[in-house]
Amino acid sequence: KAGVTQTPRYLIKTRGQQVTLSCSPISGHRSVSWYQQTPGQGLQFLFEYFSETQRNKGNFPGRFSGRQFSNSRSEMNVSTLELGDSALYLCASSLGQSTGELFFGEGSRLTVL
Amino acid sequence: DQQVKQNSPSLSVQEGRISILNCDYTNSMFDYFLWYKKYPAEGPTFLISISSIKDKNEDGRFTVFLNKSAKHLSLHIVPSQPGDSAVYFCAASAYTGNQFYFGTGTSLTVIP
Repeated sequence: KAGVTQTPRYLIKTRGQQVTLSCSPISGHRSVSWYQQTPGQGLQFLFEYFSETQRNKGNFPGRFSGRQFSNSRSEMNVSTLELGDSALYLCASSLGQSTGELFFGEGSRLTVL
Repeated sequence: DQQVKQNSPSLSVQEGRISILNCDYTNSMFDYFLWYKKYPAEGPTFLISISSIKDKNEDGRFTVFLNKSAKHLSLHIVPSQPGDSAVYFCAASAYTGNQFYFGTGTSLTVIP
């Protein structure tokens, strides 16, 4: 079956702009998580959505937000972009149980100039 | 605050030998651990997991060891193959949903 699909793969924005990233999970997966990967910081948890509800939230400012639709597709939005937001944003889907593995997409590479 | 740490940014091993990747954690509430492998321009892929009720889990060439008292886990790859060259991340969760804490990764190079 199809894997996790993230769009766009690459994008360039300038400071102060906002960006929306999209994630289509594996069919049947109800949980979608978002992670930010930067050099030296590993993967930092942003938030997790399960059945359209935010179930967990990481330690990121309110400029980072997300939502999940009834078909489990998810979007994340970053407003008022800062240079430090340049990163690889990874989406992961899973069945939703706490001991399940995460299936990652290839990521969206955001560059903020 | 990095709750999961991988203190070795890189590791080089000869083909056929054992690769040992280490991971330390600080949160005693963590009770489920995973290892992921990541190639450039791809998302991380799941390798192996271990629950805190176990101290060892094997899957083919990959074995994960968990030492709860030391808050330490390790991934052993035997024998190492050139295709194993990738960045390896360990991750931990506290059974509170799908919030995983990842280490910063170890870049493994297997030399033919």
